[in-house]
Amino acid sequence: QVQLQESGPGLVKSSETLSLICSVSGYSVSTSGYYWGWIRQPPGKGLEWIGNIHQSGNTYYNPSLKSRVTISTDTSKNQFALKLSSVTAADTAVYYCARGRPGIVYFDFWGQGTLVTVPS
Amino acid sequence: QSVLTQPPSVSGAPGQRVTISCTGSSSNIGAGYNVHWYQQLPGTAPKLLIYANNNRPSGVPDRFSGSTSGTSASLVISGLQAGDDADYYCQSYDNSLSVFYVFGTGTKVTVL
Repeated sequence: QVQLQESGPGLVKSSETLSLICSVSGYSVSTSGYYWGWIRQPPGKGLEWIGNIHQSGNTYYNPSLKSRVTISTDTSKNQFALKLSSVTAADTAVYYCARGRPGIVYFDFWGQGTLVTVPS
Repeated sequence: QSVLTQPPSVSGAPGQRVTISCTGSSSNIGAGYNVHWYQQLPGTAPKLLIYANNNRPSGVPDRFSGSTSGTSASLVISGLQAGDDADYYCQSYDNSLSVFYVFGTGTKVTVL
């Protein structure tokens, strides 16, 4: 069974960089074809896709966040990471990591999520 | 601002059938891109409920079914149960925004 677990600071100061790690077990992030993604959900609001990294290393970002986002993988640790720079209070959200299926674009396994707060 | 619109809420009594709509456009659902549905129980992460329009992952009861027509999609919950009380999100791809994953606005299902 694929399991994902987010980790990182729960509080980030305004204008600084948010950094989160997703640790994957039960599946290799190097497995051909799969995507590994980040999604966020502001308190009481809907879901927003942040970006993905493909097993090949190619990255795909939401255009609305592209200038501030970097997603990378560490295959030796079977992890992938999110960096979001110049954060503001609007970036306060629960951040989820998830596995994306190849071909058909959806997420089949999700982490439990981690709340990141940016004080205003 | 999501490009997939869902009703904010729907409700039904146990045993009833409810339908959640997901209205898109010619650049997403209407272009033939697959629609997927997620269930988010209170305080938990979203869970895949339906993929590729009308397919259920292993373990999802057949009370849940999906369909598409034109620029819209629907999720039907038959035989509503107390455990179905949750938020539901549709998701697709949009070729005009270059956004791989566009989510719907979300629908809160309340079991009366």
